[in-house]
Amino acid sequence: NAGVTQTPKFRILKIGQSMTLQCAQDMNHNYMYWYRQDPGMGLKLIYYSVGAGITDKGEVPNGYNVSRSTTEDFPLRLELAAPSQTSVYFCASGLRGGGDEQFFGPGTRLTVL
Amino acid sequence: QQQVKQSPQSLIVQKGGIPIINCAYENTAFDYFPWYQQFPGKGPALLIAIRPDVSEKKEGRFTISFNKSAKQFSLHIMDSQPGDSATYFCAASPITGGGNKLTFGTGTQLKVEL
Repeated sequence: NAGVTQTPKFRILKIGQSMTLQCAQDMNHNYMYWYRQDPGMGLKLIYYSVGAGITDKGEVPNGYNVSRSTTEDFPLRLELAAPSQTSVYFCASGLRGGGDEQFFGPGTRLTVL
Repeated sequence: QQQVKQSPQSLIVQKGGIPIINCAYENTAFDYFPWYQQFPGKGPALLIAIRPDVSEKKEGRFTISFNKSAKQFSLHIMDSQPGDSATYFCAASPITGGGNKLTFGTGTQLKVEL
């Protein structure tokens, strides 16, 4: 199993550009999550999904969109990138919901200039 | 509003010492409290977790102590080793209500020196 994979590893965007961060998991997990990690701030939940076709907002969803058309994939879309979106983005997945382990990908480091 | 407060921000101990990292939460709906370990350039990985029906849980050299009345929990690392040098995050979530939406603390950067 590859686990949770994320692409790209690094990306530099100009203000106003758009991009999609890719996330895939091969563990047949129902639950998937997107977090952003900023220095000294811990991880903040952006969006999550409890299954294909179902997504919901987390703590910091503004400026992002997600879709979940398959169990395996959970892309995160940034529209009109802003410097405030400079961060490290982590995707995670879990088999069950509450009280279950989340498996994290290696992260995407995004810089918006 | 930060719902999980973690301290200290950084910690340096000697090899063999027992670093202790503390977390406090506000939301009484939280009933799942994991600790994640993160090495530089990697994603976090689950280290150990506890539910409020027990006051302590041990896994190897790692122990969680939980105080429900004080709404506090802590991580102790026994006989710490240089390989334990990493960033540690506490987290909390309600088990019911769907989604396992974790609220993370701000992290503690631990360095274990020889």
